[in-house]
Amino acid sequence: NAGVTQTPKFRVLKTGQSMTLLCAQDMNHEYMYWYRQDPGMGLRLIHYSVGEGTTAKGEVPDGYNVSRLKKQNFLLGLESAAPSQTSVYFCASSYPGQGAKQPQHFGDGTRLSIL
Amino acid sequence: DQQVKQNSPSLSVQEGRISILNCDYTNSMFDYFLWYKKYPAEGPTFLISISSIKDKNEDGRFTVFLNKSAKHLSLHIVPSQPGDSAVYFCAALIGNAGKSTFGDGTTLTVKP
Repeated sequence: NAGVTQTPKFRVLKTGQSMTLLCAQDMNHEYMYWYRQDPGMGLRLIHYSVGEGTTAKGEVPDGYNVSRLKKQNFLLGLESAAPSQTSVYFCASSYPGQGAKQPQHFGDGTRLSIL
Repeated sequence: DQQVKQNSPSLSVQEGRISILNCDYTNSMFDYFLWYKKYPAEGPTFLISISSIKDKNEDGRFTVFLNKSAKHLSLHIVPSQPGDSAVYFCAALIGNAGKSTFGDGTTLTVKP
């Protein structure tokens, strides 16, 4: 089982460029999430999805868009990259527990630098 | 306002001793808490969790304690091992929405 796979692992962009980060999970999880982690800080939720075709804003959604066209994939888009978006991006997925909270399974992250 | 706080950015302990990592929260609606462990260049992995209806949960060397009145939880690792050296994140959530609020993490170093 691959679990949660993030593509690419590293990327350098110039200010104003656009790109899409791909997250794929093979655990049939309903819920998927995108976080960013800045140095010395915890994970901040950008957007999340509770099922195919649905997305919702998290704590820091500005400058990002997402799509969940297939259950196993969750895409994070930067339309016009800014230096403030330099960060490590983590994707996660989880199964909505029935009366028990389910932990999130994380990918290994995408290191994104905006010059 | 940060709802989940880990006030100690780092902790260093000797191998074989106890490691205690602390976490405070402000939102009384949180009803489930999790600890994640993160090694460099990897994503966080789930370690242990506790429901707000309990005050203790144990899994091998790891025990989480919850003090609801103080809005405080702690993770105890006994005995600590060098392989436990990592960043530990506390996370809290409400209901079954799945969204977790994370603390900033504590870097644990276990010295041989």
